[in-house]
Amino acid sequence: DTGVSQDPRHKITKRGQNVTFRCDPISEHNRLYWYRQTLGQGPEFLTYFQNEAQLEKSRLLSDRFSAERPKGSFSTLEIQRTEQGDSAMYLCASSLSTGETQYFGPGTRLLVL
Amino acid sequence: QKEVEQDPGPLSVPEGAIVSLNCTYSNSAFQYFMWYRQYSRKGPELLMYTYSSGNKEDGRFTAQVDKSSKYISLFIRDSQPSDSATYLCAALNTNAGKSTFGDGTTLTVKP
Repeated sequence: DTGVSQDPRHKITKRGQNVTFRCDPISEHNRLYWYRQTLGQGPEFLTYFQNEAQLEKSRLLSDRFSAERPKGSFSTLEIQRTEQGDSAMYLCASSLSTGETQYFGPGTRLLVL
Repeated sequence: QKEVEQDPGPLSVPEGAIVSLNCTYSNSAFQYFMWYRQYSRKGPELLMYTYSSGNKEDGRFTAQVDKSSKYISLFIRDSQPSDSATYLCAALNTNAGKSTFGDGTTLTVKP
């Protein structure tokens, strides 16, 4: 399977814990994006990488959120000191440099109790 | 106000109907306009994209962009029950790099 993969698919955690999600993009894609989606809403942009460089971060990405793409391949998104408001689907997408054809992974569904 | 606004729906049509899904946007810098389909608890799937104004057809799907009125449409001909999903419009300014999504329209096609 050469699509975008995300791990884990589901995560339940207690408030205050740290969580980390992983995304493996399509291999030839140099752009990687993170979005957050809540019920009834469209995906909201969080951040994106061109190769290993993080080019933009949304205002939504508070200092509790950090993303890395150390070798320009897979990426991780970490949320520290989780809050109930962090409960959402976290989506990863990848694309070639122009960005109009973004391919999404299946998402990681986070529930913070 | 959101940069991309989408008719909220939900929309329910009989099988075989023509479906029209619509969005408006406010940012004149958007250059690409995309339509995604999302099934419940799955990631969005890219259906098609259009650059600037004009029409693009792919099988039963036609995407239309009118930049003068900042209006985006997706038409589905001969709708099928398998088309039942949430449809998301999105717009991209390549200089900004990120895509901006509408909140989706949920479509149900009844057999």
